[in-house]
Amino acid sequence: QSALTQPASVSGSPGQSITISCTGTSSDVGNSHYVSWYQHHPGKAPKLVIYDFTNRPSGVSSRFSGSTSGNTASLTISGLQAEDEADYYCSSYTGLTTYVFGTGTKVTVL
Amino acid sequence: QVQLLESGPGLVKPSQTLSLTCTVSGGSMTSNNHFWSWVRQPAGKGLEWIGRVYTSGDTNYNPSLKSRVTISIDTSKNQFSLNLSSVTAADTAVYYCAKMVHDWFDPWGQGTLVTVSS
Repeated sequence: QSALTQPASVSGSPGQSITISCTGTSSDVGNSHYVSWYQHHPGKAPKLVIYDFTNRPSGVSSRFSGSTSGNTASLTISGLQAEDEADYYCSSYTGLTTYVFGTGTKVTVL
Repeated sequence: QVQLLESGPGLVKPSQTLSLTCTVSGGSMTSNNHFWSWVRQPAGKGLEWIGRVYTSGDTNYNPSLKSRVTISIDTSKNQFSLNLSSVTAADTAVYYCAKMVHDWFDPWGQGTLVTVSS
């Protein structure tokens, strides 16, 4: 199973919106298998920010939103803040009782 | 609120078996019958799913690691464990344990660094 494809880095200025893509195949992301997104500050535990493509856990800022189209899922962070600077990973069920993560995206707040 | 904590040796010799334990606190592992998972991150690289165990003991593994991985669970101790055999330097990574809710991972432990070196 190959890792889902994410851009290596995305940057934006405070207050701007950025979008991170997560591209898989018709076997995973494109087969309606639920995609989740994680925020990871180095040295800390990864944190779930989006599950089931578009749902936000309680306590997660409404500035985080998810969407999907075909074999690609996306995470949008609106009103970018300094605290959003972190690595972000998507994850999908593969349909074969296994899971795969994305390659990871480093978000930089300029 | 459930919390997870990884423990185990930080240094393992090549060809030996890496053994880690994840202790779950703040709730019973058997409530709602969740899966429990291991994920790792080599330095400078992305996350890699290793495998998962159900409260019944049923397991699923990453095909690329399946021949070397065993994940087990002891609900009486609120713990689940990872054994990875025949390790090499490529297995050096931060290892995380996580609770699975349906198809997502939440929460995660803080992670523990395991270095494979003689």
